[in-house]
Amino acid sequence: TQLLEQSPQFLSIQEGENLTVYCNSSSVFSSLQWYRQEPGEGPVLLVTVVTGGEVKKLKRLTFQFGDARKDSSLHITAAQPGDTGLYLCAGEYSGTYKYIFGTGTRLKVLA
Amino acid sequence: NAGVMQNPRHLVRRRGQEARLRCSPMKGHSHVYWYRQLPEEGLKFMVYLQKENIIDESGMPKERFSAEFPKEGPSILRIQQVVRGDSAAYFCASSPQYTEAFFGQGTRLTVV
Repeated sequence: TQLLEQSPQFLSIQEGENLTVYCNSSSVFSSLQWYRQEPGEGPVLLVTVVTGGEVKKLKRLTFQFGDARKDSSLHITAAQPGDTGLYLCAGEYSGTYKYIFGTGTRLKVLA
Repeated sequence: NAGVMQNPRHLVRRRGQEARLRCSPMKGHSHVYWYRQLPEEGLKFMVYLQKENIIDESGMPKERFSAEFPKEGPSILRIQQVVRGDSAAYFCASSPQYTEAFFGQGTRLTVV
């Protein structure tokens, strides 16, 4: 069974702080995606990473794909209350053509 | 370009009834995925379909659950003889090929 573990599970920080969320697996991904989900809504795609070592930036969010394509991180700079939500990573394992989701990180940014 | 459309958004069924959840993928997308999410949990893969074909149903319960994606019309997730444990949010996602998936807003099923 392929597992995707995210850490931390919960994170509560003050506005302006920085944070990093991790996504780890023992298997190699063909691609990995990060989503944000708000209560009562579907996950919204933030980014897709494909190449080992790849770094992508989306405003204050920086996404990194591990060199071995088994892990990824999401770094948020100067967090804002609008960043509050459930952050999910989803990996596609070679040849499976389906996305397995991580356990999620629930982020709360306090004003 | 409209996003992935799911309906209904909320569905209440009595135990033993049937639930039909519909998903219209984004225009040009021929791949559909269904996921289930329980409160405070992540998304669990159920089934992956292409037009008229089930590609991977390894996450579907063996009984009472079925899915289809006909040549014309939306994808349907069907749950027969619902039980309380089927209460969850069901999400559909679509993709144009073997690339990133875009999600709908989900159907929240409540079994009473």
